[in-house]
Amino acid sequence: AQSVTQLGSHVSVSEGALVLLRCNYSSSVPPYLFWYVQYPNQGLQLLLKYTSAATLVKGINGFEAEFKKSETSFHLTKPSAHMSDAAEYFCAVSGYNNNDMRFGAGTRLTVKP
Amino acid sequence: GAVVSQHPSWVICKSGTSVKIECRSLDFQATTMFWYRQFPKQSLMLMATSNEGSKATYEQGVEKDKFLINHASLTLSTLTVTSAHPEDSSFYICSANLRAARLRELTFGQGTRLTVV
Repeated sequence: AQSVTQLGSHVSVSEGALVLLRCNYSSSVPPYLFWYVQYPNQGLQLLLKYTSAATLVKGINGFEAEFKKSETSFHLTKPSAHMSDAAEYFCAVSGYNNNDMRFGAGTRLTVKP
Repeated sequence: GAVVSQHPSWVICKSGTSVKIECRSLDFQATTMFWYRQFPKQSLMLMATSNEGSKATYEQGVEKDKFLINHASLTLSTLTVTSAHPEDSSFYICSANLRAARLRELTFGQGTRLTVV
């Protein structure tokens, strides 16, 4: 069974500040890890994914995440927040077939001017 | 890139009526589609896995007679909320598995907001 835990249901940063959204996973098999972003009343958009290749994964909109097996973590970062980054972010874990993808509870990112 | 279209984007219906939500993969074949439900400010809850040409697999606690899923083709899955009640009001999202990809990757629809009055 796989699961993810997102630490912090709400994160608030100032525009231009570092964004750090935390995600820890639990998996009995080598995990595939994902970060998705959701804007109000919309579906999910893939930001980036870890597929057992490079441990540092770069995604869209300047986001990146690092897979740390020793810490069972996959935290999402962005060096400088932009107002348009305000949204809900979900971490997800799955096995190879994605038939068992599980989502974290989500973290709402607020960006202050 | 892969696109999943969900229709309608929002719907309001009266209690006791049924509502059908469509999920289409526009430019790829999807052997598997997933249906999720999302309550306000909460995460996605997997309701069922829909496989083309076979019965859907429902998650524990999801009423299969309440939420009818049909996956008649490789590009279309439908979710019908039967005899809807106000507690069925929610945001429903589908996703599809990109069949051709060596690594299975999910593409999500834009979601359907259902309000039952």
